[in-house]
Amino acid sequence: RKEVEQDPGPFNVPEGATVAFNCTYSNSASQSFFWYRQDCRKEPKLLMSVYSSGNEDGRFTAQLNRASQYISLLIRDSKLSDSATYLCVVNGAGGYNKLIFGAGTRLAVHP
Amino acid sequence: NAGVMQNPRHLVRRRGQEARLRCSPMKGHSHVYWYRQLPEEGLKFMVYLQKENIIDESGMPKERFSAEFPKEGPSILRIQQVVRGDSAAYFCASSPPRIDTQYFGPGTRLTVL
Repeated sequence: RKEVEQDPGPFNVPEGATVAFNCTYSNSASQSFFWYRQDCRKEPKLLMSVYSSGNEDGRFTAQLNRASQYISLLIRDSKLSDSATYLCVVNGAGGYNKLIFGAGTRLAVHP
Repeated sequence: NAGVMQNPRHLVRRRGQEARLRCSPMKGHSHVYWYRQLPEEGLKFMVYLQKENIIDESGMPKERFSAEFPKEGPSILRIQQVVRGDSAAYFCASSPPRIDTQYFGPGTRLTVL
């Protein structure tokens, strides 16, 4: 089983749509959770950290369910510029900052 | 505040040559991480360093790969006797002490002919 699992997509949605991505992780000792986005042939960029209480940043909402080891990302009112690969990321156990990346979910927003 | 710097951005080597990849962390960041991304795959952790110390190298191949982060100067990822399977994007990230958020550099794309 992969340490972080995501649906690879692609998700093809029209502008203005709401889209949700899900992710599960296997290590219950993980303490930090993130969503990064990666554009084609670019570096990953931090989109947001994910907290148990849930957090929102503009059109983006992230949720964490520790009991189910499940992380989600909701994007409202999709823009063309949201087209990218979204990476679910957790830290490795042991107190280190080693990050474990999911393979990513591709999103394509079309006019 | 400049971001994480990596050079070169593109590196071409022939099989058997050495590759040296450099990473300068963001100002104030003393923790450096190297990740590798093979074509069409996710990023994989390689090594975590602090100044003059390797903290975790569990993701490093056992042969040909080494990393350092000297007291002065950038962190170096060194690959000896490169093979075609080493072709990948190598990303460096940095973070300040006791902060778990990592910021990534633009990467070095290594092509082995």
